[in-house]
Amino acid sequence: DAGVTQSPTHLIKTRGQQVTLRCSPISGHKSVSWYQQVLGQGPQFIFQYYEKEERGRGNFPDRFSARQFPNYSSELNVNALLLGDSALYLCASTKDYNTEAFFGQGTRLTVV
Amino acid sequence: GESVGLHLPTLSVQEGDNSIINCAYSNSASDYFIWYKQESGKGPQFIIDIRSNMDKRQGQRVTVLLNKTVKHLSLQIAATQPGDSAVYFCAETLHTDKLIFGTGTRLQVFP
Repeated sequence: DAGVTQSPTHLIKTRGQQVTLRCSPISGHKSVSWYQQVLGQGPQFIFQYYEKEERGRGNFPDRFSARQFPNYSSELNVNALLLGDSALYLCASTKDYNTEAFFGQGTRLTVV
Repeated sequence: GESVGLHLPTLSVQEGDNSIINCAYSNSASDYFIWYKQESGKGPQFIIDIRSNMDKRQGQRVTVLLNKTVKHLSLQIAATQPGDSAVYFCAETLHTDKLIFGTGTRLQVFP
């Protein structure tokens, strides 16, 4: 079975641009969460979606938005990119609430 | 605020020895804890989890201990191997899928 898949794997953008990251959860998993991991730190929670509804939001500016589709895949959008948005963006899926979360390989975003 | 922290940023062990990675958490109401292994350039890999109604759980070569009295979590790896070299994170959650991670401990295994 395929695990959590994310695309693209690497991305370079310039300041002020917009970016869309994509995630496909494990088959049968209805919950998708997004995390930002800056080099040398642990992942920080951005969003959680369950059954296409936003169930949680971390301390990130409104430039960050996300959505979940009927097939449970998800997109993370970041507008007006800043240098500080450079990070590894991770997607995790869970089958249900409070069960083990499985992560994808992440998308490495570099803002120049 | 809520946080999960690790006591040792780097742990060096000899191949074949047992490793113990420690973690302190601040929210006494947290009810679910997970240990992740992250290799360079990869996403976190699930190792083992434990719920707050347990104090010990064993997997293959790994054991997680939970001490709710002092809000402490540990990961024990038996017979550490070179392939165990990675950064290890503990994470906590409270009735949600929002995981709160610490900064991680780097495990280095030398021959």
